[in-house]
Amino acid sequence: AQTVTQSQPEMSVQEAETVTLSCTYDTSENNYYLFWYKQPPSRQMILVIRQEAYKQQNATENRFSVNFQKAAKSFSLKISDSQLGDTAMYFCAFMGIQGAQKLVFGQGTRLTINP
Amino acid sequence: DVKVTQSSRYLVKRTGEKVFLECVQDMDHENMFWYRQDPGLGLRLIYFSYDVKMKEKGDIPEGYSVSREKKERFSLILESASTNQTSMYLCASSLLSQGDTIYFGEGSWLTVV
Repeated sequence: AQTVTQSQPEMSVQEAETVTLSCTYDTSENNYYLFWYKQPPSRQMILVIRQEAYKQQNATENRFSVNFQKAAKSFSLKISDSQLGDTAMYFCAFMGIQGAQKLVFGQGTRLTINP
Repeated sequence: DVKVTQSSRYLVKRTGEKVFLECVQDMDHENMFWYRQDPGLGLRLIYFSYDVKMKEKGDIPEGYSVSREKKERFSLILESASTNQTSMYLCASSLLSQGDTIYFGEGSWLTVV
């Protein structure tokens, strides 16, 4: 079974700083998808970024980018020029391509951006 | 925009009550999911469905059942609520294609007293 581990329960940075959230996973599959989801306080969970394992290039979405290290089974999220609106719970998630299309989540990292 | 709507944001129920959590999506998605979110544990899959009247157990199905009579609606049922089922419940949906984005509802906070 796949597992996803986020080793940082909480992080806090100043506005405009860059912050990196860590995620490692375990799987025996060769092809799969990885996701970062954001859950703002009392608001809906939304997709931040997605990475396909067979693509070498790291995914980027505006200020959000990932460092995908397939051999190390590591998938970290970098937020550049952090903003107050980035304050949220961030979840790393894994989806295999075999069987059902379900997400396996990490424990989450609570990120606070301070003014 | 995809909309996943959970009918109740906050519920308080008594131990032993039967509880229904309703979820509706408006994008004709084949897949629907129920997750439970607890601090320090992340989200854990309770049940999912890939078609009407089809259901599959997730990682923590004990104490729960589901119903999917129509494609757009997926209900989570707690047959006899217990205090250890106090939690946030998240409904989600997606297309059947591999790797597609899963869209979430706002969540239902359930307290069992």
